[in-house]
Amino acid sequence: EAEVAQSPRYKITEKSQAVAFWCDPISGHATLYWYRQILGQGPELLVQFQDESVVDDSQLPKDRFSAERLKGVDSTLKIQPAELGDSAMYLCASSSPTSGGPGSNEQFFGPGTRLTVL
Amino acid sequence: QQPVQSPQAVILREGEDAVINCSSSKALYSVHWYRQKHGEAPVFLMILLKGGEQKGHDKISASFNEKKQQSSLYLTASQLSYSGTYFCGTAYNFNKFYFGSGTKLNVKP
Repeated sequence: EAEVAQSPRYKITEKSQAVAFWCDPISGHATLYWYRQILGQGPELLVQFQDESVVDDSQLPKDRFSAERLKGVDSTLKIQPAELGDSAMYLCASSSPTSGGPGSNEQFFGPGTRLTVL
Repeated sequence: QQPVQSPQAVILREGEDAVINCSSSKALYSVHWYRQKHGEAPVFLMILLKGGEQKGHDKISASFNEKKQQSSLYLTASQLSYSGTYFCGTAYNFNKFYFGSGTKLNVKP
């Protein structure tokens, strides 16, 4: 069964360092999402791609976070510099839009990257 | 714009029923339901796209009241495997999507 791949699974870094997370969506899925999930809370959408274009990044802290999906397939989320408050699970999800836009479609989540900032 | 879920936590015995509610202050385009087990990624349960739509999956079903801007998830004859945190996700248009804060469900033998 096709799955969303993410790496690394765990990352420990020190404050002010740069970190990067990678996501490979299910083959053929045009829509890709990055979420941040703080322990005990629901996932918060950071950025949404449709192919290689950003559809929504209104919740992305752009002073330190960046995301790209250059060829419309895999994606990288970067944080530079990392802060203590960035400690969280970073989830990637993908969906295959049929009609009605991404709000209409099941999202398939990867296993996530657990980030700890010391 | 984040939907509000209630209750925050539920403890059940196997075989009991539960209802989880999700409400919004804005008109909804769709409602999603996901379950997340500890340390794992959320797993899709169902999407409701039309006002008044009801869907079912095994003994888990959901309704969507567009007028009241709310959805309810019904778990019937709960099993141990139902334990986890349930999230509703709401879309206000094609591209704006928000998860609720979750309802933690613990089913005991």
